[in-house]
Amino acid sequence: DIVMTQSPDSLAVSLGERATINCKSSQSVLHRSSDKNYLAWFQQKPGQPPKLLIYWASTRESGVPDRFSGSGSGTDFTLTISSLQAEDVAVFYCQQYYSTPQTFGQGTRLEIK
Amino acid sequence: QVQLVESGGGVVQPGRSLRLSCAASGFTFSSHAMHWVRQAPGKGLEWVAVMSYDGTNKDYVDSVKGRFTISRDNSKNTLFLQMNSLRVEDTAVYYCTRGCSLEWLLIDSWGQGALVTVSS
Repeated sequence: DIVMTQSPDSLAVSLGERATINCKSSQSVLHRSSDKNYLAWFQQKPGQPPKLLIYWASTRESGVPDRFSGSGSGTDFTLTISSLQAEDVAVFYCQQYYSTPQTFGQGTRLEIK
Repeated sequence: QVQLVESGGGVVQPGRSLRLSCAASGFTFSSHAMHWVRQAPGKGLEWVAVMSYDGTNKDYVDSVKGRFTISRDNSKNTLFLQMNSLRVEDTAVYYCTRGCSLEWLLIDSWGQGALVTVSS
């Protein structure tokens, strides 16, 4: 199974500041034939189901604000929120869908400083 | 818009069975793979199972293989998860989720979840 490891486990950022969450996979999730990274980011707000933010490592889902961006390739990925808003408080998960069992990172809790 | 509504959760004793259902609407159910993902109380997300759009392919996480069965009825736009020999560690909110049309293993929509509590 591919192990996904996120860092940090929790993060406190001031409103308007940048937040960065890292995700590392135990093996590459880059599909060579398609040149796509099978990596997604989800946001889970308190009391709600997760919501897809980013897929193919850097493609924003429709309706997701452009302050959210994803980057990286192979085994190392980053989710960046360029200017933190109050409504961004949540737990963020990375997930690989390169192979089954699909696996999630342990989650990163983002709070307002 | 996409709606996924789970039902069938509840409290059950270890070793017993439970069947979850997921009613889908707002999209062409028969064109999408469907998944179950669970979340133990206060914990992270764990993918449980997937079934292809036509039911011909399915897969499970090792911890539920031989105990859980995913199935679907495309004529009724409904996904199921039959859970047998339940264990305390199966206690979780179970989410019905939709596979993306671009890539069947990519999850793009989630239901609100159904709580399953396994306790004596």
